[in-house]
Amino acid sequence: DAGITQSPRHKVTETGTPVTLRCHQTENHRYMYWYRQDPGHGLRLIHYSYGVKDTDKGEVSDGYSVSRSKTEDFLLTLESATSSQTSVYFCAISSRLAGGPYEQFFGPGTRLTVL
Amino acid sequence: EDQVTQSPEALRLQEGESSSLNCSYTVSGLRGLFWYRQDPGKGPEFLFTLYSAGEEKEKERLKATLTKKESFLHITAPKPEDSATYLCAVQVGQAGTALIFGKGTTLSVSS
Repeated sequence: DAGITQSPRHKVTETGTPVTLRCHQTENHRYMYWYRQDPGHGLRLIHYSYGVKDTDKGEVSDGYSVSRSKTEDFLLTLESATSSQTSVYFCAISSRLAGGPYEQFFGPGTRLTVL
Repeated sequence: EDQVTQSPEALRLQEGESSSLNCSYTVSGLRGLFWYRQDPGKGPEFLFTLYSAGEEKEKERLKATLTKKESFLHITAPKPEDSATYLCAVQVGQAGTALIFGKGTTLSVSS
């Protein structure tokens, strides 16, 4: 268990409304990520963070913003939700074994439906 | 462009019928290749990391291997509880960069 929680776990919202998803970790990892998973596309990176207030864009960042004011929390915001943002969102953290690559561990996901 | 391709998309096996899943990749500067298992409605569960060609890792009925162009996940004598989607991902570039995922192979094992 990598100590990752996501909230909410399920959300239904309407087009045009703002939505914020939260990822919380308990183990002080430096790197955190937001992915979305859609049928036929696999997991795709939205944004990631390499430290407090340090973030960068991923492959599918349009329409999303993120913030990280504390090590343990990484927030994903949809400023004005659209139906194309209906998806399952996963948060991940990165942990490194000595001398190896960073291994990523995932949270349980948030299922978002935009009507 | 960095790319990861998994095959087959779906695989149906009888209990005890061994098989292999394939993950081929075209990337520059591979730092690691990762296998995950994902059950419906859950997040991906980490299985293996492979660093370099020739490396092998095992866990119960699963064995992952890596060459310079592809990785295989061998499943020996599978059981129904091995049914899941198996995801392959690669990490390239500098430390901490995000993973590039394949679309997965959905494995169904019937008794």
